[in-house]
Formats: sequence, C-alpha cells, structure tokens
Amino acid sequence: DAGVIQSPRHEVTEMGQEVTLRCKPISGHDYLFWYRQTMMRGLELLIYFNNNVPIDDSGMPEDRFSAKMPNASFSTLKIQPSEPRDSAVYFCASSFTSYEQYFGPGTRLTVT
Amino acid sequence: AQSVTQPDIHITVSEGASLELRCNYSYGATPYLFWYVQSPGQGLQLLLKYFSGDTLVQGIKGFEAEFKRSQSSFNLRKPSVHWSDAAEYFCASNTGGFKTIFGAGTRLFVKA
Repeated sequence: DAGVIQSPRHEVTEMGQEVTLRCKPISGHDYLFWYRQTMMRGLELLIYFNNNVPIDDSGMPEDRFSAKMPNASFSTLKIQPSEPRDSAVYFCASSFTSYEQYFGPGTRLTVT
Repeated sequence: AQSVTQPDIHITVSEGASLELRCNYSYGATPYLFWYVQSPGQGLQLLLKYFSGDTLVQGIKGFEAEFKRSQSSFNLRKPSVHWSDAAEYFCASNTGGFKTIFGAGTRLFVKA
C-alpha cells in the first residue's frame, strides 16, 4: 500500500488567498484525521471523520477552516481566507480502528 | 481529563548508548498507549502500541516500551542508539474513544 498521500507537500500563498489541502487515506481505513503541527502548540487535532461523516470538528480554529470527505478515498481541508498565523504543517492520518493512526508526510503551508 | 506528559523536551545520547524516553499519562483507567517517531520533514510513524496483556511491548527499529500502572508511565527504551534514531518521539494515549491525545514530544539528538 502506498500509505496516506497528501498534496501538495509544500504550499506558499499570500494572505487572503484560498488554500486547499488534499488527502487520500489508506484503502479500507474508515477513520480520517486532520492535524496541524506548530512549534508553539505541537500537534493539534482539527477534525476527524468516520465513514466519510465528520464526527468531531471542535478543533477547527475558526470558520475560515472547513473540511470535507466526499468519498472514502479523498478528503480536503480548506482555509479561506488564509492568514499568516495559519502557517504550519498539516497532517492527514487514517485508521481502521481509530486507535492506531497512519500519518501522511504532511503539507507545509506558508502564508505570507 | 486525559493528558500525556513527556517531561523531557530534548535528550542527547551518544551513539551506542542506551536510551529511555519518559512518558506519563493521566487517566483513571488504563488507556491504549502508543509511541510514534517523526523524522525531519516526515509524518509520524507508529513505533509500538500497548492495549493490554504483557506490559513489555516490542516495536519496530529495536524499540521497546514498558507499561507501569503504578507509575502511570509508558517509557520507551532502546539498548543501543544509532545515529539514524535522531528524531522527535511522541507518546500518545487513547481511552477507547475516538480522540488520541499526543504528548508534546521529545527530540532526540545522537552524538558520535
């Protein structure tokens, strides 16, 4: 299996622009998680899905953030409009049981 | 509330020396416990996990961890560290729900 795939690996954008991060989970996994990692706050859970349904989005920092999972093999995390404080590494992870999570390589987002 | 504490922000060991990374969890019952490793520019990779049973668990890359209920600890060990082990290590716990709590991480430096 190719593992969790994220794209793009790096994104540089200007403040106010829309950013879309993409994730393809491991086939057969029914949980998908989006995390954000920064030096200041470490690893934060933003939202997770079970069978394509959002279960807990309490970690989404603001209404500027939204996530979708239209099918079992694809999810997006969108930031609109983006701000410099959104600069971070965003990870997608998937799981079969919700306990053991398999992480993608991450997307490093820089908002200038 | 569930929490995970990694008391050491960073540790330096000599190549070939033994390693122990500390992790303490806070929860009334025994949670599921995990150690992940993150190499620079990479996502988190699961090293090992403890659900129940034998309190000494073996993982990949020669790592092991011991669960001690009396100390609420789940310390990670390796008898002989290699330079390639330099990375950040995260302890995590899950109480059987959907949310995994990660510690702040311990960065391991290996000196020649």
